[in-house]
Amino acid sequence: AQSVAQPEDQVNVAEGNPLTVKCTYSVSGNPYLFWYVQYPNRGLQFLLKYITGDNLVKGSYGFEAEFNKSQTSFHLKKPSALVSDSALYFCAVRARGLTGGGNKLTFGTGTQLKVEL
Amino acid sequence: KAGVTQTPRYLIKTRGQQVTLSCSPISGHRSVSWYQQTPGQGLQFLFEYFSETQRNKGNFPGRFSGRQFSNSRSEMNVSTLELGDSALYLCASSLSLASGSEQYFGPGTRLTVT
Repeated sequence: AQSVAQPEDQVNVAEGNPLTVKCTYSVSGNPYLFWYVQYPNRGLQFLLKYITGDNLVKGSYGFEAEFNKSQTSFHLKKPSALVSDSALYFCAVRARGLTGGGNKLTFGTGTQLKVEL
Repeated sequence: KAGVTQTPRYLIKTRGQQVTLSCSPISGHRSVSWYQQTPGQGLQFLFEYFSETQRNKGNFPGRFSGRQFSNSRSEMNVSTLELGDSALYLCASSLSLASGSEQYFGPGTRLTVT
């Protein structure tokens, strides 16, 4: 079975400071990893994904994430936070090589990011 | 290109009733997945359809069912509604079944069961 842990329910950061939202995963074999963001009363928006290759993945809105296989982590980062980044962030994992393929995602519990002036 | 659309956006139903939710994927996307989001359980996978066939199913009771039409539009049905079915139901579409494909989510249908 696959699982995702987001150890922090909430992360507070001042605007202009770097931010990190943590994610660790458990899956058999090599994973596909994703980050999504959810604004109030909205669906999830795709930010970035790790498939293979470079461990540092760049995504939308200046976000990036670092894949660390030995630590089974995929932390989301941004060099300079904006107030508009305040939202709920979800990490998700999908196992490779599922029989018949498939897009089933297993999500973490989400981390509320609050960026203050 | 238009995004994933879901109708209706809000629903209020009574226990014991049934409900049908609709999802139109992004044009050209053939895979549609459904998720349930609740404060207590978070985001949970319901099922996935591709080419009108259910490809994956989550751990939900048989009261939850779905289907996909030839134009890739999908519906999910919940029969004999329970209070615990109150949730945000999210539909997501993807270009293919390739596991590296990202999913694009609709705004969701907020179902309230009273």
